[in-house]
Amino acid sequence: EDKVVQSPLSLVVHEGDTVTLNCSYEVTNFRSLLWYKQEKKAPTFLFMLTSSGIEKKSGRLSSILDKKELFSILNITATQTGDSAVYLCSIYYGGATNKLIFGTGTLLAVQP
Amino acid sequence: DAGVIQSPRHEVTEMGQEVTLRCKPISGHNSLFWYRQTMMRGLELLIYFNNNVPIDDSGMPEDRFSAKMPNASFSTLKIQPSEPRDSAVYFCASSPLAGIYNEQFFGPGTRLTVL
Repeated sequence: EDKVVQSPLSLVVHEGDTVTLNCSYEVTNFRSLLWYKQEKKAPTFLFMLTSSGIEKKSGRLSSILDKKELFSILNITATQTGDSAVYLCSIYYGGATNKLIFGTGTLLAVQP
Repeated sequence: DAGVIQSPRHEVTEMGQEVTLRCKPISGHNSLFWYRQTMMRGLELLIYFNNNVPIDDSGMPEDRFSAKMPNASFSTLKIQPSEPRDSAVYFCASSPLAGIYNEQFFGPGTRLTVL
């Protein structure tokens, strides 16, 4: 069965800490992996990864994909309270029929 | 710039009633997606359209759900008859590129409660 597993399910840190969120997957015909941030409303796009070993960066956030080991990590350095959100990982995969599934997310709480 | 627009933002209805959710994608975007989000099942893709044509509706839970996109600027998701287990937040998203593997822009969602 195709699946996406995110860990940890939740995380509480203090401002300034560095966090690493994980997304592992088991799908057929992987195409791309996308990270989203969801606060109290709709998800907003962070990164799209298609190639192994190439790090995507945006400010304090970065992400990398390992297609051999079937996982991705999302790093956030010098966390701020505004980073508090659910971080969602999604996988696009499939051959003749395109599929997209989301992980259940990691709830990150950054305390002042 | 206006983002994805969804209406209504909140809907409370009784079991058995018909519910219609509406979405206006970002102008110029070629792809439109309908999602459902619940605590139990997370975010699920229901159906997506490329250039107004439904591409994959395998995520639609059952025949009570239907979606249409009569033109490039409007889509509806209909539930008839509604059931309490349909209670969820329904998101519409659009993408400037065809295919579901690209960045998507989400609307604010419609919170549906079926009593």
